[in-house]
Order: sequence, then C-alpha cells, then structure tokens
Amino acid sequence: NAGVTQTPKFQVLKTGQSMTLQCAQDMNHEYMSWYRQDPGMGLRLIHYSVGAGITDQGEVPNGYNVSRSTTEDFPLRLLSAAPSQTSVYFCASRAAGGPDETQYFGPGTRLLVL
Amino acid sequence: GIQVEQSPPDLILQEGANSTLRCNFSDSVNNLQWFHQNPWGQLINLFYIPSGTKQNGRLSATTVATERYSLLYISSSQTTDSGVYFCAVSLSGTASKLTFGTGTRLQVTL
Repeated sequence: NAGVTQTPKFQVLKTGQSMTLQCAQDMNHEYMSWYRQDPGMGLRLIHYSVGAGITDQGEVPNGYNVSRSTTEDFPLRLLSAAPSQTSVYFCASRAAGGPDETQYFGPGTRLLVL
Repeated sequence: GIQVEQSPPDLILQEGANSTLRCNFSDSVNNLQWFHQNPWGQLINLFYIPSGTKQNGRLSATTVATERYSLLYISSSQTTDSGVYFCAVSLSGTASKLTFGTGTRLQVTL
C-alpha cells in the first residue's frame, strides 16, 4: 500500500492563480480530510468528506473548494490564490466505524503564493 | 470548539534522558492521537489512544479521559526523536474532525 499520497510536493503560485492539490489513498478509507499548517502552529481542518459525494466545511474553509467523486481521491481547489494561503497542506484519511479511528496523513504539499 | 493545550512548548534534552509531554483538552473526546513531525515535515502516527495506556518501544502514552489529559513518555531519548510532537483530538460524533494542539518542540542533543 502506498497509503496517502499527495501531489505536487511543492508549488509556487502568483496571487489570483488557481490550482488543484491532489490527494489519493489506496486503503479504501471512507473519511478524508484536508488540513493546513502554518509556521509554529498545529494543523487546522479545511474541509472533510465522509464518503463519495459528501463533503463539509472544517475550521478554515474560505478560499477552498473540494469534491469527492470517488472513494480514493479528494482534491483541494484554490480558485484564486492569496498570499494568506501560503502554507503546508496535509491530506488525511481513516476508516469509518470500528474501534480504531487512527487518521493517516500524506507527506504534505508546500504552497507559496507570491 | 474544543481547546487543546500542550506543554511544555519547547524541550531540550541530552541523549539518553527521559521526558514527559502533556496534552490537556477541554471536552470529552472519542479520538486522541499523538504524532511526531520530523524535521522534514512528515507526520508520523505514534499512538491512537482515546483512553488507557499503550507502549511502543521507548515510547508510551497514557490518556485519562475522565480528567481530560494525555501524557506521552519518551525514554532513553535519541537524536532521531527530535521534532515536534502533536496531540490531536476529536469529539464524539464528529467523524474525522481533528483539533490539534500547538505542539511540543523537542531537541535532543549529543
């Protein structure tokens, strides 16, 4: 299993540009999430999904869109990038139900918005 | 929302020393995880421990859910233990909505 994979690893954008951060998992997990990590801080939840076709907002959703058409993929879209979105983005997944709610994180995408 | 506080914020140890990291949370949780973020930024799962005690090698963790705290013990520390340790929790019925603490930055020196 590759686990949770993210692409790209690093991206530089200009203000106003759009892009999609990709996230995929091969563990057949129902739950997937996106977090951002700013310097010196813990991670904050952007959006999450409890299954294909179902998404909801987290703590800091403004400026980001998500969709979930398959169990495996959960892309994060920035429609018009702003310098405040400079951050490291982590995708996570976990299985639904059962006694173990461990979340598994991808390696992250570093985004710089100029 | 739920508050998660970690202490100490920074910790410097000599190799071989032991340490205890603490995580306090403000509400009842059904999920508590400890992570190690290494110097390359990778988040590594250490423990899923909403209650009770677990051990994995030199690391162990204890969560006392009724008193709303968790402890991470590192024994015989090594330089590879350096990085930031995060505690993250979620409330019952909140799917995968983890709330993270601000972390404890650990530096282990020779």
